[in-house]
Amino acid sequence: DAGITQSPRHKVTETGTPVTLRCHQTENHRYMYWYRQDPGHGLRLIHYSYGVKDTDKGEVSDGYSVSRSKTEDFLLTLESATSSQTSVYFCAISDSGSSNQPQHFGDGTRLSIL
Amino acid sequence: AQSVTQLGSHVSVSEGALVLLRCNYSSSVPPYLFWYVQYPNQGLQLLLKYTSAATLVKGINGFEAEFKKSETSFHLTKPSAHMSDAAEYFCAVSGETGANNLFFGTGTRLTVIP
Repeated sequence: DAGITQSPRHKVTETGTPVTLRCHQTENHRYMYWYRQDPGHGLRLIHYSYGVKDTDKGEVSDGYSVSRSKTEDFLLTLESATSSQTSVYFCAISDSGSSNQPQHFGDGTRLSIL
Repeated sequence: AQSVTQLGSHVSVSEGALVLLRCNYSSSVPPYLFWYVQYPNQGLQLLLKYTSAATLVKGINGFEAEFKKSETSFHLTKPSAHMSDAAEYFCAVSGETGANNLFFGTGTRLTVIP
């Protein structure tokens, strides 16, 4: 398995609180991605990074911010969590931006916002 | 814009029967297509990928998929289902940008009946 660690694995928090999820990789891959998984929607891209301090928005970026200060770490922040952000969040990595290269996924973080 | 449609959110087959999971894609450029499998409480694992080298692609665990341009399809098959194949399966198409963004279908949950 690709060396991807997501933390925490589970979190319950209240509406309006800030939340930060961490993705750590040991593969030295350039590209990192954050997805959310919801029933009936599959996985949808939130943000991605193509290098240290280089990030861009995905399909469902509203309410989320990201940071990447080191190659191995990609942080996803919910500045003020809302119940609609209750979801399972997956981090993925890829060593290339070429469209024919697969992404490798972490085991996910289950986030519940009450 | 690129997208995939997975027909059938739930599929049930008997152990030993043929598995057929359907995926149709939409793409304005030659697509790269992927099938992923997700076991409970785990991340996504790559089953196979189509990158234009061959239309019939063989993957892990006895799965294969055939790319049919005329039908814009990339259906996943396995001749004989095993109990361990019970999982959720996702079809994905890679994006047109240079960041290898993936667009996922909504998933098909496969149940294998003993």
